[in-house]
Amino acid sequence: ETGVTQTPRHLVMGMTNKKSLKCEQHLGHNAMYWYKQSAKKPLELMFVYSLEERVENNSVPSRFSPECPNSSHLFLHLHTLQPEDSALYLCASSLGTERPYEQYFGPGTRLTVT
Amino acid sequence: AQSVAQPEDQVNVAEGNPLTVKCTYSVSGNPYLFWYVQYPNRGLQFLLKYITGDNLVKGSYGFEAEFNKSQTSFHLKKPSALVSDSALYFCAVRERDDKIIFGKGTRLHILP
Repeated sequence: ETGVTQTPRHLVMGMTNKKSLKCEQHLGHNAMYWYKQSAKKPLELMFVYSLEERVENNSVPSRFSPECPNSSHLFLHLHTLQPEDSALYLCASSLGTERPYEQYFGPGTRLTVT
Repeated sequence: AQSVAQPEDQVNVAEGNPLTVKCTYSVSGNPYLFWYVQYPNRGLQFLLKYITGDNLVKGSYGFEAEFNKSQTSFHLKKPSALVSDSALYFCAVRERDDKIIFGKGTRLHILP
């Protein structure tokens, strides 16, 4: 349970605010992921980092900006969000991306955009 | 393009009965298949995966899944359900050298 941590757990922000979500993994993994989970929708993969290099960006709007300063930390910077961006944002990590390694998820940040 | 479907939004099972959560997939090559579970206010938790070999895969908490290539299915099963198994279950598929795709999830209710 403490392998992947996310802060804050809950965030309420206005559309003009700037905030950041933080993720930290203590598993020695080389890959990290951001997902968006909305009600009654499949989990949406947003970004993938492998060894601190972004390897995937799934047509995510530019108001979401990821940052991976090292293999243990991942940030998601948010600015001028829309109400439809309200969701649970999940961070995950895995040993790597080149093989079918399972992913380990954090508890998520519940984001509400007002 | 690869895809995964979980045809049931919700499954209700009496405690002690066997349970099945269905998953079908579509890929052009050989798939990697996964099951994850999500408890309230938690992230997803890995249960089991199929890569190759034996079609019956055993995982955590007594769960197992059977890979059926002809039916392109990977149903999750457990012989005897517990109330604590109540959660949201996600099937996922990954084609070689491609990204993982998750199904929309099936909510499992185990009735005491």
